[in-house]
Amino acid sequence: EAGVAQSPRYKIIEKRQSVAFWCNPISGHATLYWYQQILGQGPKLLIQFQNNGVVDDSQLPKDRFSAERLKGVDSTLKIQPAKLEDSAVYLCASSLAGSTLYQPYFGPGTRLTVT
Amino acid sequence: KQEVTQIPAALSVPEGENLVLNCSFTDSAIYNLQWFRQDPGKGLTSLLLIQSSQREQTSGRLNASLDKSSGRSTLYIAASQPGDSATYLCAVMLLLILTGRGNKLTFGTGTQLKVEL
Repeated sequence: EAGVAQSPRYKIIEKRQSVAFWCNPISGHATLYWYQQILGQGPKLLIQFQNNGVVDDSQLPKDRFSAERLKGVDSTLKIQPAKLEDSAVYLCASSLAGSTLYQPYFGPGTRLTVT
Repeated sequence: KQEVTQIPAALSVPEGENLVLNCSFTDSAIYNLQWFRQDPGKGLTSLLLIQSSQREQTSGRLNASLDKSSGRSTLYIAASQPGDSATYLCAVMLLLILTGRGNKLTFGTGTQLKVEL
């Protein structure tokens, strides 16, 4: 079974520039999550999708961050414009809806450096 | 609001030692608790998942216990090896089905473990 795929793996941009991350979840997983992990901290949920609908985006800085999930499969997370404090690892995860375990599977992450 | 705390933040032990990592959470109405491992530059690997009705789970040299009433979990690593060096994260899941918001996974800040030769 293929895992969660993310690209790019690394990205360096200057502040005020835009950036986009892509995630392809495990086939058949209806729930998709984007987490932000700042160095030395645990991952923080940014947005959660159930199929292509948003379930929770309460911690997403909507003035600069946006996310969409096309046709309930792949997802993109965009930052526009980026700030220095956005430097972090962005993790995508997916889980099987309806499973009693609700166990998420994580991708390798995209490390963003904003200079 | 659920808060998850992990102690210690960092730990260095000699190879072969048994060790315990601690995790505490403020809201005991959890659905499950997971322990993850994170290697530098890598994603998260699930080690053990304990359902709220369970007391412990074991996998090889790892044993995780859960005491919901006191809001605590421990991860026990027996006979530690240099390959165990990584950051260990615990995460608790709440179900938000009644509000139609699915589930919510809250992570601790992690324990950075180094096992030395």
